[in-house]
Amino acid sequence: EAGVAQSPRYKIIEKRQSVAFWCNPISGHATLYWYQQILGQGPKLLIQFQNNGVVDDSQLPKDRFSAERLKGVDSTLKIQPAKLEDSAVYLCASSSLTSGGVSKNIQYFGAGTRLSVL
Amino acid sequence: AQSVTQLGSHVSVSEGALVLLRCNYSSSVPPYLFWYVQYPNQGLQLLLKYTTGATLVKGINGFEAEFKKSETSFHLTKPSAHMSDAAEYFCAVMAGGSQGNLIFGKGTKLSVKP
Repeated sequence: EAGVAQSPRYKIIEKRQSVAFWCNPISGHATLYWYQQILGQGPKLLIQFQNNGVVDDSQLPKDRFSAERLKGVDSTLKIQPAKLEDSAVYLCASSSLTSGGVSKNIQYFGAGTRLSVL
Repeated sequence: AQSVTQLGSHVSVSEGALVLLRCNYSSSVPPYLFWYVQYPNQGLQLLLKYTTGATLVKGINGFEAEFKKSETSFHLTKPSAHMSDAAEYFCAVMAGGSQGNLIFGKGTKLSVKP
């Protein structure tokens, strides 16, 4: 079973530029998460999708961050314009419900995209 | 609101020694608890989880954790450290619901000395 794929792995941009990250979850996983991991801290949820609908985006800085999951599969996360404090690793994760409706409660993570804003 | 506190940002042990990484949680509902490991430049990998049932949970690579409700703890242990265990370890609690997001602690970096 292929894991969660993310690209690019690394990105360096100047402040005020825009950037986009892509995530392809594990096949069949209905739930997709984007986390931000700042150096020295644990990951923090930015947004959670169930299929193509948003479940939780309460911690997404909506003035500069946006995310979509148009067909309920792949997702993109965009930052426009970027600030210095956006330097972090952006992790995508996915999870599924079993066919019986009982959650496996397990989130599978991609390798992340390391963003440096100069 | 739920939260996780990991005591010690850096733990160093000798190869073959006991590994003990501490995690305390705060939750107003019965918690779902997780330990993840992160190797350099990689994503997070699940070590083990507690949802319901047996409070001693065994995971991969010889790790185990015990859920202690009275102490609100979920400490991670391994009887004998191996050099390959050197990594960062994150404790997490699942926010309300079985498909909730994870709330992570700040992580503990484990170093293993030869």
